[in-house]
Amino acid sequence: QQQVKQSPQSLIVQKGGISIINCAYENTAFDYFPWYQQFPGKGPALLIAIRPDVSEKKEGRFTISFNKSAKQFSLHIMDSQPGDSATYFCAATGTYKYIFGTGTRLKVLA
Amino acid sequence: GAVVSQHPSRVICKSGTSVKIECRSLDFQATTMFWYRQFPKQSLMLMATSNEGSKATYEQGVEKDKFLINHASLTLSTLTVTSAHPEDSSFYICSAITSGGAADTQYFGPGTRLTVL
Repeated sequence: QQQVKQSPQSLIVQKGGISIINCAYENTAFDYFPWYQQFPGKGPALLIAIRPDVSEKKEGRFTISFNKSAKQFSLHIMDSQPGDSATYFCAATGTYKYIFGTGTRLKVLA
Repeated sequence: GAVVSQHPSRVICKSGTSVKIECRSLDFQATTMFWYRQFPKQSLMLMATSNEGSKATYEQGVEKDKFLINHASLTLSTLTVTSAHPEDSSFYICSAITSGGAADTQYFGPGTRLTVL
């Protein structure tokens, strides 16, 4: 019940395309869902986060869609750029302790 | 704001020696700090949670005598890998929760690459 399932494991997108990464959780007590971007050899950086009282949140080219009934949330990267090539982790928490997804390695082709 | 630093960024040591990694919150007070370990191409694995002035809480399977954590102030936590062995080689990342901002947001440090020869 503590798992967060993330898919796909890897993703290749053309420049200008839309990258979509999905996560699913089981624990209904989770109430905060952040996405992190990590470049090789660096620590994760917070991209965007959402709480279950809204179904969508947009910040620049990044959008989180949240489906409370399905217990799923996804990250959409619009107009994907080669600089977006990184590993993306979703997470979920109901307290202070994060449960991370397994990560998605995104490669955006120039 | 919400910047977390780690020192050193890279360390190479001989087997049997101890290594200390520092994690600092630069522009905020961190009531709680976390230490993670990350293997290549894998997700982050929580090792322990530390609160200022109290003993760290270790995750199941993490040896508390090997990975000593001290959270001496609201801006500094240290992880000491004692008697390091090659299997301890990994990427260690700390994170912190701000006491005055969005309470659920963890801000991560840049990580420390430990190589034990």
